[in-house]
Amino acid sequence: SQTIHQWPATLVQPVGSPLSLECTVEGTSNPNLYWYRQAAGRGLQLLFYSVGIGQISSEVPQNLSASRPQDRQFILSSKKLLLSDSGFYLCAWSAGTSIDTQYFGPGTRLTVL
Amino acid sequence: GDSVTQMEGPVTLSEEAFLTINCTYTATGYPSLFWYVQYPGEGLQLLLKATKADDKGSNKGFEATYRKETTSFHLEKGSVQVSDSAVYFCALMDTGRRALTFGSGTRLQVQP
Repeated sequence: SQTIHQWPATLVQPVGSPLSLECTVEGTSNPNLYWYRQAAGRGLQLLFYSVGIGQISSEVPQNLSASRPQDRQFILSSKKLLLSDSGFYLCAWSAGTSIDTQYFGPGTRLTVL
Repeated sequence: GDSVTQMEGPVTLSEEAFLTINCTYTATGYPSLFWYVQYPGEGLQLLLKATKADDKGSNKGFEATYRKETTSFHLEKGSVQVSDSAVYFCALMDTGRRALTFGSGTRLQVQP
């Protein structure tokens, strides 16, 4: 069966510090991968998605970037965090015959102080 | 562009009450429609989906019917339990797109 991992689970970082969040998927090959952000009291906003290694599409211009160095690894980064980067970051994958169905990881709660 | 509108929460119900959470959408193509649930402290889980008009998705006693004429996908459950307390998100994936568009979520609180 497929499993999606995210780490860390929680993170508190000062403004201006760098960020690296990691997501890995097990049990599937060539998945589509996604990063979403859920700000406090709001819905989910798609940040990036990837259909293959090195292929990244950005949905919203921002202070963040994404990379996919391996087939089942997706990394969200920032060189300098802003207060507005605080939120709950969710990684998701989709693949196979149900490409329209996404499966979400447990999330990382980021607080920027 | 695509958008999803959900009713404002929180929705507070007593156990065994009937639940309806309204969801309407706008899309340029022929979207698939979804309900996701987020339990406290957890990520999102797919609850149910429907891929074409008049389809009914169902799971765990929850149901939603894809109504193209009213562009709606309302979530219903006949008898809620305390364990159903969570945030519910309506979402769509439009034709040719690879990403979901989510509503803002509706918090459900079920009291014993």
